[in-house]
Amino acid sequence: QLVQSGPEVKKPGASVKVSCKASGYSFTSYYIHWLRQAPGQGLERLGVISPSGGTTSYEQKFQGRVTMTRDTSTNTVYMEVRSLRYDDTAIYYCARASQFGDPLGWYDPWGQGTLVTVSS
Amino acid sequence: EIVMTQSPATLSVSLGETATLPCRASQSVSNNLAWYKQKPGQSPRLLIYGASTRATGIPARFSGSGSGTEFTLTISSLQSEDFAVYYCQHYNTWPGAFGQGTKVEIK
Repeated sequence: QLVQSGPEVKKPGASVKVSCKASGYSFTSYYIHWLRQAPGQGLERLGVISPSGGTTSYEQKFQGRVTMTRDTSTNTVYMEVRSLRYDDTAIYYCARASQFGDPLGWYDPWGQGTLVTVSS
Repeated sequence: EIVMTQSPATLSVSLGETATLPCRASQSVSNNLAWYKQKPGQSPRLLIYGASTRATGIPARFSGSGSGTEFTLTISSLQSEDFAVYYCQHYNTWPGAFGQGTKVEIK
């Protein structure tokens, strides 16, 4: 399963770091994706990290503003978003890629989500 | 990039009836398609992958069909817990993509 950190309230221009702790499987064998869902909207992918080597790939829209890292000693991945804007208000999800060693596939399981609210 | 289209955005169905949810890809995705269900306040949950294979623990009233560009999720004998938003997702080519979702509401 994937367990995420709690809700956050941040001011515009600040940064937020969300964690996602994995358990019940081989942490380094499966890629972890980060997605978000703005209020009443659909699902938007931010990027992916390989827990094994730490390599990352970000959607172009988020390059330079999002950083994903991992800690293999605690089976945890992190996502930091910098220079927060009002439209970054969303629920952020981590989700495991389905296939061993392959970042492309369906997502299962998902974390419970972390609400990030950007408000002055 | 491949665009996934789900229409209608909202489907009104009565309890006990069958809901048919379409999903269309802008180009062929073979059978590399998944379906998810999301209830208010919850994370998306995997229902179907490989266009037609039910995920672990998913009831048989959920079935997926199609290949190429046209796909369907069928929910038979709708129960109260089935009223939710359903998303399709292709994973045929990087980075994959989601449809905008279809909300199944009580008629």
